[in-house]
Amino acid sequence: GENVEQHPSTLSVQEGDSAVIKCTYSDSASNYFPWYKQELGKRPQLIIDIRSNVGEKKDQRIAVTLNKTAKHFSLHITETQPEDSAVYFCAASIPGGGNKLTFGTGTQLKVEL
Amino acid sequence: NAGVTQTPKFQVLKTGQSMTLQCAQDMNHEYMSWYRQDPGMGLRLIHYSVGAGITDQGEVPNGYNVSRSTTEDFPLRLLSAAPSQTSVYFCASSYQFTPRTEAFFGQGTRLTVV
Repeated sequence: GENVEQHPSTLSVQEGDSAVIKCTYSDSASNYFPWYKQELGKRPQLIIDIRSNVGEKKDQRIAVTLNKTAKHFSLHITETQPEDSAVYFCAASIPGGGNKLTFGTGTQLKVEL
Repeated sequence: NAGVTQTPKFQVLKTGQSMTLQCAQDMNHEYMSWYRQDPGMGLRLIHYSVGAGITDQGEVPNGYNVSRSTTEDFPLRLLSAAPSQTSVYFCASSYQFTPRTEAFFGQGTRLTVV
């Protein structure tokens, strides 16, 4: 089955700096790659996603890039703010699998003032 | 529109007890799933369903049962609770087919087995 690895497990940045979180996946058939943000004690919520027919997608300060050849995708957050502090999860799913997501182990992002 | 609703929010069980975690969604989603979240291990899929009457196992199904008698409800049953099942459980739902496959999560159930 699919295996998703996520790095780093913790990331500390200064307010205003950029943050990058990287994930790799094992199943070349995977075609949907969402990113979820989970604040302390809350439920995961989708912040951005990308499909395999697109190399990059941007939404304000958040962007995701996908390299299908390397089976690698990344989350980029620019101009970080304290409210960006949370755990971020990447995930992958295969065609026909509905939304059977395989998650990475998460990155604890801390934005320091 | 309540989205995905889980009950209870917190639960303490003794080893060997059974219980059912409830999950309901009002978005007419075909796909529903249960995940457990443990520190450093992300979210791991327990069971999932692609529609009423259809269920299948995920990555960590042992010790759990599910059923899907209606589109709206997807309860998770712990048959004989063990301390290893201490975790936070999330139910999620989504449309089955692209492009609308965003998964919506419930608020979670924090379960402690003593």
